[in-house]
Amino acid sequence: EDQVTQSPEALRLQEGESSSLNCSYTVSGLRGLFWYRQDPGKGPEFLFTLYSAGEEKEKERLKATLTKKESFLHITAPKPEDSATYLCAVQARANSKLTFGKGITLSVRP
Amino acid sequence: KAGVTQTPRYLIKTRGQQVTLSCSPISGHRSVSWYQQTPGQGLQFLFEYFSETQRNKGNFPGRFSGRQFSNSRSEMNVSTLELGDSALYLCASSLEGRYGETQYFGPGTRLLVL
Repeated sequence: EDQVTQSPEALRLQEGESSSLNCSYTVSGLRGLFWYRQDPGKGPEFLFTLYSAGEEKEKERLKATLTKKESFLHITAPKPEDSATYLCAVQARANSKLTFGKGITLSVRP
Repeated sequence: KAGVTQTPRYLIKTRGQQVTLSCSPISGHRSVSWYQQTPGQGLQFLFEYFSETQRNKGNFPGRFSGRQFSNSRSEMNVSTLELGDSALYLCASSLEGRYGETQYFGPGTRLLVL
């Protein structure tokens, strides 16, 4: 069974304090690893898709990386508006469904 | 392009009732997936529809059902509601539902069962 574990569950940072969010996964034939951001009361907002180990993608202060067992979302010099829950999901060879981790709630203090 | 839309945004029902939720995908998207989000279980896959056919199904009881129309709009139905069905129900669409394709989520329908 596909499994996704995200750590830590919650992270509090000072504005400008860089950090990384971890997503560990076990999946039978990875087709894609997805990162989403979710604000309270809203649906997940797509951030990145990674397809193979060694791949990296960047967007503003965010950078996502992928290995064969885990993915990291690096946040450089975060701002209060980066506060949200970050979700990691995998898609396996078997079908198109996404299997999600429980998410990491990030709080950035000014 | 308009995003995924879901109606209604909020619903309050009582145990034993049934409910129908609606989802309109992004224009041109033909695959629609439904997910249930709760604080305890997180996001869990319910089912996926493509070309009016259910293509994949998650581990939910038969009380949860869905359908897709020829214009790709989708509905999901929950019959005989239970307290544990209280959740945020999210719809996501993608072009063809192929492996590796990005799924874009709607704002969700918040269902409260009393």
